[in-house]
Amino acid sequence: QLQLQESGPGLVKPLETLSLTCTVSGGSISSRSYYWGWIRQPPGKGLEWIGSIYYSGGTYYKSSLKSRVTISVDTSKNQFSLKMSSVTAADTAVYYCAAASSGYSLRAFDIWGQGTMVTVSS
Amino acid sequence: QSALTQPRSVSGSPGQSVTISCTGTSSDVGGYNYVSWYRQHPGKAPKLMLYDVSKRPSGVPDRFSGSKSGNTASLTISGLQAEDEADYYCCSYAATVVFGGGTKLTVL
Repeated sequence: QLQLQESGPGLVKPLETLSLTCTVSGGSISSRSYYWGWIRQPPGKGLEWIGSIYYSGGTYYKSSLKSRVTISVDTSKNQFSLKMSSVTAADTAVYYCAAASSGYSLRAFDIWGQGTMVTVSS
Repeated sequence: QSALTQPRSVSGSPGQSVTISCTGTSSDVGGYNYVSWYRQHPGKAPKLMLYDVSKRPSGVPDRFSGSKSGNTASLTISGLQAEDEADYYCCSYAATVVFGGGTKLTVL
């Protein structure tokens, strides 16, 4: 059974780069059976998709974040990662990594990590 | 990529039915049958409740149903239970992904 676990600093200074990693267990990051994504949720607000990466290596990002975001895969560590540059207080949120499985048309996030809170503050 | 539109809140008594709407455009909800719904309890990760508009993942009770007409998708929960009190989010997953703003369901 696939499981996801986010990791990374809980505190990032303004204008620095936020870096998070999602470790995948119970399945291969290279599998054609999954698409991988990052979603965030500011305190008291709704879910916001950040971007996704596919087994082909192709990436898609939310247009308003595209200039600051990079999602990549490390097959040797069975992980995928998120980098967001020039962060501000508006980037303070719980960050979730998630997977969309072929069993659910690869178009719905059926597996989620527990989430990790990232605060942007000096 | 504007957020899909959901009512801020809905409520119902135990045993009743409630419907949550999710309105988008022909570029997202109306253009693809890739609408999914998520339930989120406070402090927890979202849980997939419906995908492809109306399909239920294994383990999700048949009290949860979905439909779509034009640019609006709907989630109906029948036989409301206390555990259904949560935030619900719709999502359209085309090439890019967009979530709704979320609906708080209160079970009276």
